[in-house]
Parts: sequence; C-alpha cells; structure tokens
Amino acid sequence: DTGVSQNPRHKITKRGQNVTFRCDPISEHNRLYWYRQTLGQGPEFLTYFQNEAQLEKSRLLSDRFSAERPKGSFSTLEIQRTEQGDSAMYLCASSFDSNTEAFFGQGTRLTVV
Amino acid sequence: QKEVEQDPGPLSVPEGAIVSLNCTYSNSAFQYFMWYRQYSRKGPELLMYTYSSGNKEDGRFTAQVDKSSKYISLFIRDSQPSDSATYLCAMRGRDSSYKLIFGSGTRLLVRP
Repeated sequence: DTGVSQNPRHKITKRGQNVTFRCDPISEHNRLYWYRQTLGQGPEFLTYFQNEAQLEKSRLLSDRFSAERPKGSFSTLEIQRTEQGDSAMYLCASSFDSNTEAFFGQGTRLTVV
Repeated sequence: QKEVEQDPGPLSVPEGAIVSLNCTYSNSAFQYFMWYRQYSRKGPELLMYTYSSGNKEDGRFTAQVDKSSKYISLFIRDSQPSDSATYLCAMRGRDSSYKLIFGSGTRLLVRP
C-alpha cells in the first residue's frame, strides 16, 4: 500500500493522559498536513510541514499540541494532558508540492474518556 | 458565517439517478476546488481537483466551478449504492500553505 498511513487507527485514553499519533506520507511527498475532524463537520486545518520545517500552525493548535517531522519523513502529533474536547478524528495528508493535490490517510480516531 | 457552506443532507436518491451536490463560498481568493468522498469512519478520498472556473469530467463524475457566483457543483451520473457516502467540498487560495477549507459535507444515500 503506497498511500498515506496513520497509526494507530483508534485510540481511547483517559482525560489527562498524553497521546501520540504517527503519520507516514506517500513516498517523495514533501508536504505533510494535519487536520482534525469532529462529527458532522469537515476537516479543519491544524498545521503543515514542508520537508522537516513546520511552516504554519492554526490557532486550533493549542500549547498542548505539538507536531514534528524529523528528517522530513514521517510525522508525529502529540497531545498532552488530553481533554474530552480533543475527541475527534485526526487526519494526515501529503502532497508533492503546493500545486498538487493532497491525499489523506485513514485517520486516527481519538476518544478521551 | 462559514467561508464554505454545504447542505448537510441527507440526500436520498434511487439507484441510477443523477446526483447534484453543491457548495457556496465567500472568499474570492479561492482558486483551487476539490471534492472528496468519505465513507463512515474512513479518511477523505480525493475525487476531483480543479483550478479556477470551468468543468472537469472523470467517468461518472463532473465538477463545475462558477467563480462569478462563488458556487461549485459535483454531478454523479448513474448513481450506485456504493456511492453512498459523505461528500466534502474543499478549496484554497493560491498561497503556498495548501490550507484547505472544507464544507461540512453532504450525506448521500443511493437506494437500490
């Protein structure tokens, strides 16, 4: 499978715990994006990387959220001290450059109890 | 008011019908327009990608963009039960960030 891969697919965690998600983009895609989708809504932009550089962060990305893309390959999204409001589908997407279409992974569904 | 408006549906049609899905937007800077299909608990799948105004056809799918009216459409011909999903429109400007702005999605149900 050469698509965008996300792990884990599902994560249930207790409020206050830290969680980390991983995204492996399509090979040779320089751009990697994180989005969040809540029930009945479209995805909302969180942040994006050009290779290893994080170039933009949405105001939705509070201080409890951090994303990295070491060496410009896979990316991780960490949420510290999770809250019930963090429950959502976290989507990763990648594209070759700014002018080509982005392809999404299957997402990581987070449930905070 | 949201930048992109999309009727949430659900839209229920019989198999074989022509489906019309629409979005309106307010930001005249949007230049790239996309339609994604999303099955329940799955990631969005890109269906159509268009730049500026005009039509684009791919198999049973046709995308239309009318920038003067700030209105985009997706038509599905000969709809199949397997087309039952949520359809998301998305768009962005010409800046380099590729920050997509999505509609909230329209649920489509194609009845056998």
